[in-house]
Amino acid sequence: DQQVKQNSPSLSVQEGRISILNCDYTNSMFDYFLWYKKYPAEGPTFLISISSIKDKNEDGRFTVFLNKSAKHLSLHIVPSQPGDSAVYFCAASMRVETSGSRLTFGEGTQLTVNP
Amino acid sequence: EAGVAQSPRYKIIEKRQSVAFWCNPISGHATLYWYQQILGQGPKLLIQFQNNGVVDDSQLPKDRFSAERLKGVDSTLKIQPAKLEDSAVYLCASSLSLGLAPFAYNEQFFGPGTRLTVL
Repeated sequence: DQQVKQNSPSLSVQEGRISILNCDYTNSMFDYFLWYKKYPAEGPTFLISISSIKDKNEDGRFTVFLNKSAKHLSLHIVPSQPGDSAVYFCAASMRVETSGSRLTFGEGTQLTVNP
Repeated sequence: EAGVAQSPRYKIIEKRQSVAFWCNPISGHATLYWYQQILGQGPKLLIQFQNNGVVDDSQLPKDRFSAERLKGVDSTLKIQPAKLEDSAVYLCASSLSLGLAPFAYNEQFFGPGTRLTVL
């Protein structure tokens, strides 16, 4: 049961253009959403997040949009830079009584930004 | 500030052998997580500790996987005996605390992972 899904395994964009990464979820109990970025041979690093009570959060070149009715979120990177080339994971957090919260990750999207 | 440390970085074993991974979280972080990331998939939580106690092991295959965090600092994850399908990257993460506030989140910091290959 894949509760968080990233349907595009890969995305290629030109430097300076917009990158849009998409994520869909099925569980209405998720109350917080995050994007993580992962370079080869490194662990994922936190990029940006959004609470389920908001529909947009912006941090510099990165903006995350949440559409709760569609159970869909997206990450926009503008302008894209070659250093943004990495695997991007969408993750959703759910309250768990004993442990506080639990993260569920999507499969990841490999973003390649071409110079 | 030092990040999450993991060792070894790579391990190759035969099926039915045993293996152990070590993790040292960021100093002062009370919560420690072990994730399994199979190729082509996202990380999946195996077990979560709060200090030296287990608070979530619902997704841990307990017949072969075990983990401990005896002194509430570093942790060891063991697989005994290993199967071919255990080939994956094992990620350790830590956070300051459980993060119990609603509509909020306590950031998890990940280590570089241990890549396990079971032949």
